[in-house]
Amino acid sequence: DVKVTQSSRYLVKRTGEKVFLECVQDMDHENMFWYRQDPGLGLRLIYFSYDVKMKEKGDIPEGYSVSREKKERFSLILESASTNQTSMYLCASSLRTGFSYEQYFGPGTRLTVT
Amino acid sequence: AQKVTQAQTEISVVEKEDVTLDCVYETRDTTYYLFWYKQPPSGELVFLIRRNSFDEQNEISGRYSWNFQKSTSSFNFTITASQVVDSAVYFCALSKYGGATNKLIFGTGTLLAVQP
Repeated sequence: DVKVTQSSRYLVKRTGEKVFLECVQDMDHENMFWYRQDPGLGLRLIYFSYDVKMKEKGDIPEGYSVSREKKERFSLILESASTNQTSMYLCASSLRTGFSYEQYFGPGTRLTVT
Repeated sequence: AQKVTQAQTEISVVEKEDVTLDCVYETRDTTYYLFWYKQPPSGELVFLIRRNSFDEQNEISGRYSWNFQKSTSSFNFTITASQVVDSAVYFCALSKYGGATNKLIFGTGTLLAVQP
């Protein structure tokens, strides 16, 4: 079974803090993704990575950055957290073989910025 | 532009009722994939089904069935004899065929509440 884990289920941070959200997958997937989920908006793609050190912006990258130094790990960084970044953050991974494979999701991190 | 619409924000049914969740999509691609995911209260999205645009056959898996109709750009999901454990948010998603990455475009989700 694919396993995607996220470092925290719940996180509370103050405005202006630097925040790291970690995601690890154990299935040797090439692709990894970060989404945020907000009521009424569904899931929106922040960043994705298709290989180590490779990254591409998603639909809402502003205020975020990412890091992928190892294949199994994909980090989302909030350089200076703001209250409008309070949200549920979901990490996902998938194969990359030219076909559109399903993504496997982690349990999510609910981030509150006060 | 690609888009997925789930017009039903919330549905409430009583256990054992059948329920259909609607999904309408927009894309200019001739080849694409459609997905359904379930998000129970625990938060983790669970993959349910993937369907490619060439395969319009309906799919049945136990109490779940999916009706894909290209003519109406719809990919509806029916739960037969619903159970309390079916209570969750259900997301429909659209992906572009091929390429190096498989980005998904999600609908806004439908919250299904099954009452005992």
